[in-house]
Amino acid sequence: QQQVKQSPQSLIVQKGGISIINCAYENTAFDYFPWYQQFPGKGPALLIAIRPDVSEKKEGRFTISFNKSAKQFSLHIMDSQPGDSATYFCAARYQAGTALIFGKGTTLSVSS
Amino acid sequence: GAVVSQHPSWVICKSGTSVKIECRSLDFQATTMFWYRQFPKQSLMLMATSNEGSKATYEQGVEKDKFLINHASLTLSTLTVTSAHPEDSSFYICSARGSASEETQYFGPGTRLLVL
Repeated sequence: QQQVKQSPQSLIVQKGGISIINCAYENTAFDYFPWYQQFPGKGPALLIAIRPDVSEKKEGRFTISFNKSAKQFSLHIMDSQPGDSATYFCAARYQAGTALIFGKGTTLSVSS
Repeated sequence: GAVVSQHPSWVICKSGTSVKIECRSLDFQATTMFWYRQFPKQSLMLMATSNEGSKATYEQGVEKDKFLINHASLTLSTLTVTSAHPEDSSFYICSARGSASEETQYFGPGTRLLVL
């Protein structure tokens, strides 16, 4: 059973547009929700993270929106750039000290 | 930010041989390290969790006798793939976390393993 469901699998956005990636979870015990960016052949790098007591968090062009009642969270990339082309993973953790559980990933391609 | 390194970055070996992959936290002490495996165009699958000085905890379906994990110090964990076979070819990524209260997991750059 997939604990964190991510969509879409792939996304093509024009330069300057908004990229939106969605994730849904089932386990209400999850208490930490990060987003990671991964370039080919590299390890994931933390982009932004949120806890369930916050509905939105913004860092530069990246924003997480969190809907606790719907058990959903999303990543918005404003003014998308070709350099943002990468694979994005949402993740969740159900208690401190445990490993992250990842979604299946979204491959973003920003066309110039 | 915190840096995690892996060595080697890629390795090619013959079927039946063993390969050791090192994961180091360079500027912080990692009480917990995680090992993930990633197949092409797929997500990261957790293999095991290791706490310094303790035996690793393996995920269901991961053979602990095949994937030996040692976390002997607060800055080093090793993954040894024993008697490697072509199906073990994958991208192995470690991550590390500092104190138990710290949320962030820092990932290494990964090790590409190709078993011929």
